[in-house]
Amino acid sequence: DADVTQTPRNRITKTGKRIMLECSQTKGHDRMYWYRQDPGLGLQLIYYSFDVKDINKGEISDGYSVSRQAQAKFSLSLESAIPNQTALYFCATSDAWTVDTQYFGPGTRLTVL
Amino acid sequence: DAKTTQPPSMDCAEGRAANLPCNHSTISGNEYVYWYRQIHSQGPQYIIHGLKNNETNEMASLIITEDRKSSTLILPHATLRDTAVYYCIVSLSNSKLTFGKGITLSVRP
Repeated sequence: DADVTQTPRNRITKTGKRIMLECSQTKGHDRMYWYRQDPGLGLQLIYYSFDVKDINKGEISDGYSVSRQAQAKFSLSLESAIPNQTALYFCATSDAWTVDTQYFGPGTRLTVL
Repeated sequence: DAKTTQPPSMDCAEGRAANLPCNHSTISGNEYVYWYRQIHSQGPQYIIHGLKNNETNEMASLIITEDRKSSTLILPHATLRDTAVYYCIVSLSNSKLTFGKGITLSVRP
């Protein structure tokens, strides 16, 4: 089984809808991250969490919110989806006690019509 | 975090070594050099990292110049499955990673 899983893998939705993307990990890592990737570009950090009680904004947090329900779960929400949030979304985890090697999930492809 | 500069693309023949360059002239003394790769829309995969010394693992070798202003990732025997976007990232240990556009490596048969 994969160490970092994301659900759903693909989602098509309409403008104005609320969407939640979920991430779970079995690596026992404290740190979790959400990134988005637009076609032909690198990854941009949306939010990150260094432990269950810690949530931090990344480069592009506007229009997004997160919830760290447990060490193993980190959810990303789009309260009112808009077309320019159409992108590939990745969750990642890392161990606070080692040099920051991040392990990524398979991604969620989100399309907002 | 220091900024990195990579060529947009390169190619190499299957079975030959692929040498991927990266410039990071503003790197500070306690920043690490990381390399990740992303195979066609999959999640990025960690390859290797280093601080000052050259490093080698089962995937690749990392050569860092003595002044630490540039580095080279070496895939010793490239295969078609190594075709991917490779990201060179400079960051403090236990800090956030900033992904640029990376370099697209195409391995030709």
